[in-house]
Amino acid sequence: EVQLLESGGGLVQPGGSLRLSCAASGFTFSSFTMGWVRQTPGKGLEWVSVITGNGRNTYYATSVMGRFTISRDNSKNTLYLQMSSLRAEDTAVYFCTKDDVRGGSSDYWGQGTLVTVSS
Amino acid sequence: DIQMTQSPSTLSASVGDRVTITCRASQTINSWLAWYQVKPGKAPKFLIYKASSLESGVPSRFSGSGSGTEFTLTISSLQPDDFATYYCQQYNSYPRTFGQGTKLEIK
Repeated sequence: EVQLLESGGGLVQPGGSLRLSCAASGFTFSSFTMGWVRQTPGKGLEWVSVITGNGRNTYYATSVMGRFTISRDNSKNTLYLQMSSLRAEDTAVYFCTKDDVRGGSSDYWGQGTLVTVSS
Repeated sequence: DIQMTQSPSTLSASVGDRVTITCRASQTINSWLAWYQVKPGKAPKFLIYKASSLESGVPSRFSGSGSGTEFTLTISSLQPDDFATYYCQQYNSYPRTFGQGTKLEIK
């Protein structure tokens, strides 16, 4: 059974940093593109970033480019999102996602971790 | 970035109704479109990929169609469990983008 378990969310001040983790199990982690999607309170889903299975290619939403860094450790079956220069508008529930084998869509999602940016 | 626009934003319907949600892309995305169902406090559920292919385990009352820039999600006979918010997402190019969502409410 595929499981994605996020951790690392919390309260952080504007301008601060936070690292999210996603522990994956139930599939061959290194074979799949993984990513992050966020949902802002009362608003919709926003795609954030993905990283290919071998970690060589990364892609970002315009809103987070230059501030967020996605990475993975295939030896630990873990995905990361390093967030810096955080803003109030980054406040959201962050979901870890696994790409579908057919490519591009997200067939599994974690339960999410809440990040609150506030002073 | 490719903009995805869903309509309507809110849809009121009754159990047993047939409903259709539309998703339009600001440029062609071929058939690289997915649909998701989101309920409060739950992980989003993957419904449809490549515009019209039903994910395994998803009830057959859900269907998708379209290509290019215009797409639809249809629920043929609404069930109580279907009241949720639905999102389309393009994955033709990066950055991948979502529509703003369509909230399906009980009439």
